[in-house]
Amino acid sequence: SQQGEEDPQALSIQEGENATMNCSYKTSINNLQWYRQNSGRGLVHLILIRSNEREKHSGRLRVTLDTSKKSSSLLITASRAADTASYFCATGLEFQGAQKLVFGQGTRLTINP
Amino acid sequence: EAQVTQNPRYLITVTGKKLTVTCSQNMNHEYMSWYRQDPGLGLRQIYYSMNVEVTDKGDVPEGYKVSRKEKRNFPLILESPSPNQTSLYFCASSPWFRAYEQYFGPGTRLTVT
Repeated sequence: SQQGEEDPQALSIQEGENATMNCSYKTSINNLQWYRQNSGRGLVHLILIRSNEREKHSGRLRVTLDTSKKSSSLLITASRAADTASYFCATGLEFQGAQKLVFGQGTRLTINP
Repeated sequence: EAQVTQNPRYLITVTGKKLTVTCSQNMNHEYMSWYRQDPGLGLRQIYYSMNVEVTDKGDVPEGYKVSRKEKRNFPLILESPSPNQTSLYFCASSPWFRAYEQYFGPGTRLTVT
């Protein structure tokens, strides 16, 4: 299996509800990042949390990191139709003197009006 | 506007016909990378470059070449494309090769027949 695995693979909720996505990984990391991808488009960086941080907020986004469990979660509060997208976690690893980002397969989030 | 551009955005070609996908960034970033995205496999790194004249293989480099002669450009070359290289390709850049978010281009959808 891959370094980063997201759960669930797909999530469908009503507008206004909160959406939670989880990411698990296998090896030690320097940081963990979350990206959003609208259908067929480029990825957009949402938030980066370093290995010595436990929680981070950005607007309606809240990310937690538990290095003991090798897991992270992304919470989107008060969801909107525009939040419909795929969300990817990416683990930042040290590799040959540089950072290597390893992406999970993503969670497809659908917000129903 | 700070951005990563890729050209072409869509390309249909035949097996064996050499092609180049260009990537350019205007943010003076040191690090650049190429990924391919395939259903069920997420994003996988093809090649990366920590700075000018320094490139190295990612996870799936077979069948691809890159060059980094200038800081802003990082073209992806397929010398003899094959159908298994049909994919969605993304170029990304980052201010430095450690612990930063990556900025993605809009993607190039390549079909090899």
